[in-house]
Amino acid sequence: AQSVTQLDSQVPVFEEAPVELRCNYSSSVSVYLFWYVQYPNQGLQLLLKYLSGSTLVKGINGFEAEFNKSQTSFHLRKPSVHISDTAEYFCAVSALSGGYNKLIFGAGTRLAVHP
Amino acid sequence: DAGITQSPRYKITETGRQVTLMCHQTWSHSYMFWYRQDLGHGLRLIYYSAAADITDKGEVPDGYVVSRSKTENFPLTLESATRSQTSVYFCASRVEGDSPLHFGNGTRLTVT
Repeated sequence: AQSVTQLDSQVPVFEEAPVELRCNYSSSVSVYLFWYVQYPNQGLQLLLKYLSGSTLVKGINGFEAEFNKSQTSFHLRKPSVHISDTAEYFCAVSALSGGYNKLIFGAGTRLAVHP
Repeated sequence: DAGITQSPRYKITETGRQVTLMCHQTWSHSYMFWYRQDLGHGLRLIYYSAAADITDKGEVPDGYVVSRSKTENFPLTLESATRSQTSVYFCASRVEGDSPLHFGNGTRLTVT
């Protein structure tokens, strides 16, 4: 069975500092990986996705993530955060299960950017 | 505007009552999903649908019923609401297999 672990429930950081949000997954089959962002009182929006090819994936708003198969990780990074990046971030893995691609979410990491 | 719309945005109901949460999408996506979001649990899949008249259980289906008579609508019904069903409910859709999900803005349900 697939599972996703987000290692930090909250990450406080100062504005313009770099940030890394960690995500590890477990799966016995090939997976697709996603990061979603949720702003207050809104649904989730796709930040970036890894389906195949280059292990470094660039997304919207200056975020990027690196797929590491040997460490089963898909950490999200941004070199310089803004106040507007304050949100909840979800890592998700999609793998074929029961005849369809089932998407499993991690518990989320709350990023709080302080001035 | 094209997109995925959930209604109502907020709902308060009493224990034992039936309540239906609505979801409508304008893209004609094949797949639709219902998730509930609870602190510490992230999003958990309640039910999904691969096409009209095809639905299946997710991780936490107990106490919920879905239907999909039309491609664009995927209502979620709590037949007899319980306090443990107090949550934020998200509907989502996708074109096919590995394409990203598109989410609605959620329904915050409180069961008193």
